[in-house]
Amino acid sequence: AQTVTQSQPEMSVQEAETVTLSCTYDTSENNYYLFWYKQPPSRQMILVIRQEAYKQQNATENRFSVNFQKAAKSFSLKISDSQLGDTAMYFCAFNPSNTGKLIFGQGTTLQVKP
Amino acid sequence: ETGVTQSPTHLIKTRGQQVTLRCSSQSGHNTVSWYQQALGQGPQFIFQYYREEENGRGNFPPRFSGLQFPNYSSELNVNALELDDSALYLCASSLGGLPRNEQFFGPGTRLTVL
Repeated sequence: AQTVTQSQPEMSVQEAETVTLSCTYDTSENNYYLFWYKQPPSRQMILVIRQEAYKQQNATENRFSVNFQKAAKSFSLKISDSQLGDTAMYFCAFNPSNTGKLIFGQGTTLQVKP
Repeated sequence: ETGVTQSPTHLIKTRGQQVTLRCSSQSGHNTVSWYQQALGQGPQFIFQYYREEENGRGNFPPRFSGLQFPNYSSELNVNALELDDSALYLCASSLGGLPRNEQFFGPGTRLTVL
């Protein structure tokens, strides 16, 4: 079965500092996509960053970057220069290449403190 | 460009009743996916509709059914409601049903079953 595990239920970081959220996944597939989604307290899920498994280069979107280790099946999210607006629940998600089905982890609640 | 909208925002039903949730996809999108998010958990995939046809289904019983209309809006119907059906129901729209097509989420419908 394809699963996604986020081992950190809650994390906190001081404003302007860097934080890393962990994610591991299990699959026998070779081609797939990985995502990090942000769900602020207002509930609307927003895509933060996407990584295609066949691309070796780690994805980067402004202050957000990933460390994709395909052999280890690890996909961590680094948030640099944390801002108060980054406070949210963050979900790691896996998507097999041949479906539109997103498989989510349990989420990590991130609190950015002033 | 109009984003994904869902109605109603909140809903309270009693066990055994039936419920219909609605989703309007983002302009230009032809695919809608539905997810169930229990409190404090990650979303779980229910099913996806692509051009009015079911295009994948998660591990949910047949009492969860759906429709997609010619304008690509969608309904999620749940019959014989159970207490465990209490959750946030999210829909997401995309242009195409593959992982390269970003899914845009709506704000969700909070269903409470008493």
